[in-house]
Amino acid sequence: DAEITQSPRHKITETGRQVTLACHQTWNHNNMFWYRQDLGHGLRLIHYSYGVQDTNKGEVSDGYSVSRSNTEDLPLTLESAASSQTSVYFCASSGTSGDPTGELFFGEGSRLTVL
Amino acid sequence: SQQGEEDPQALSIQEGENATMNCSYKTSINNLQWYRQNSGRGLVHLILIRSNEREKHSGRLRVTLDTSKKSSSLLITASRAADTASYFCATDTGRRALTFGSGTRLQVQP
Repeated sequence: DAEITQSPRHKITETGRQVTLACHQTWNHNNMFWYRQDLGHGLRLIHYSYGVQDTNKGEVSDGYSVSRSNTEDLPLTLESAASSQTSVYFCASSGTSGDPTGELFFGEGSRLTVL
Repeated sequence: SQQGEEDPQALSIQEGENATMNCSYKTSINNLQWYRQNSGRGLVHLILIRSNEREKHSGRLRVTLDTSKKSSSLLITASRAADTASYFCATDTGRRALTFGSGTRLQVQP
């Protein structure tokens, strides 16, 4: 069955370190998204991509970057981790039909703690 | 501030009762979606309603949309303990990605 997987599921790191969270989907979806989830804020959009070599900033993109070198993967990099980036990160993908705001399929999340 | 705001933030009911959650939003939308999240898991899509639709059903779920009031409601009928989860509305405002609210935590007591 097609799926979307995130790794690692849990990570503890120190302030200032670079961290990369992986996201891999086998749906063959063009559209991929990264959200962060914090208590009281729901899910907030970090970055998104509509296809290979396409990346776009979301509402909370500062301190994060993404790259899309193939259809299946959208890794999220924290260039220099900060305590404010302690959160649960969700990757999601949608549609092969070019509709980025149709049904989203979510990964199980990556819980990041920055000490 | 959030585009979508769910109300109430938390809801506790007995098994067999109906659960109603509301979502208000600020700007015009193309569609509105509801998602469910079990504790420690990813979100799962429940239902999508387009701006030209007023009501939609899926099993025990009923979603309404009132674009004049910029609000939507999700009704879960005959709730079960397994319905315990957080429920989120998400709006498509034409800005190329969904915007999520902060969610309603539903607790169904057996």
